[in-house]
Amino acid sequence: GNSVTQMEGPVTLSEEAFLTINCTYTATGYPSLFWYVQYPGEGLQLLLKATKADDKGSNKGFEATYRKETTSFHLEKGSVQVSDSAVYFCALSDRSGYSTLTFGKGTMLLVSP
Amino acid sequence: GAGVSQSPSNKVTEKGKDVELRCDPISGHTALYWYRQRLGQGLEFLIYFQGNSAPDKSGLPSDRFSAERTGESVSTLTIQRTQQEDSAVYLCASSSRNEKLFFGSGTQLSVL
Repeated sequence: GNSVTQMEGPVTLSEEAFLTINCTYTATGYPSLFWYVQYPGEGLQLLLKATKADDKGSNKGFEATYRKETTSFHLEKGSVQVSDSAVYFCALSDRSGYSTLTFGKGTMLLVSP
Repeated sequence: GAGVSQSPSNKVTEKGKDVELRCDPISGHTALYWYRQRLGQGLEFLIYFQGNSAPDKSGLPSDRFSAERTGESVSTLTIQRTQQEDSAVYLCASSSRNEKLFFGSGTQLSVL
């Protein structure tokens, strides 16, 4: 079956530091890959996505590249801000005709001033 | 409303009681999903509704769990004879015909 593995948190960084949150997946076929973010007290929201190999998703300074050869979709940001503190979820969607997402466990990011 | 609304936001119940969780999707969204997140775990798919099609119930963990949705409106998730292992955040999401899901803030269920 499908599965998503992401690095355990919390990840603690100072403002303006470089961020990487690792995500690897197992899936049959060619899934779409996503990063969702959950800010404190809010629902999950889509951060970025990529639908095929070598695609790069980007939003709000975050990037992730769909690497089929390493089955990875690592999230990166060059300079984090305090407002980026949240829980980040990597997810995949298979192509079975509708999108039922498989999520990782989530990684909490804490950014201090 | 502007987003997916879930109620209650918190529910504390005694073991063996039944609970009902509600989800109001974004107006016009044909797809509605229920997920569960237990402490320290990823989101676990429970059930999926798409329009008037038969729901995908493949993620429901036991026959104590059931969900209903009338048309493209409100959905209720019912857990009968709750157990302590049912304690989790229950998340509802809705979407239109693409893959972007919009999530509610969830219902924190605590079974004592």
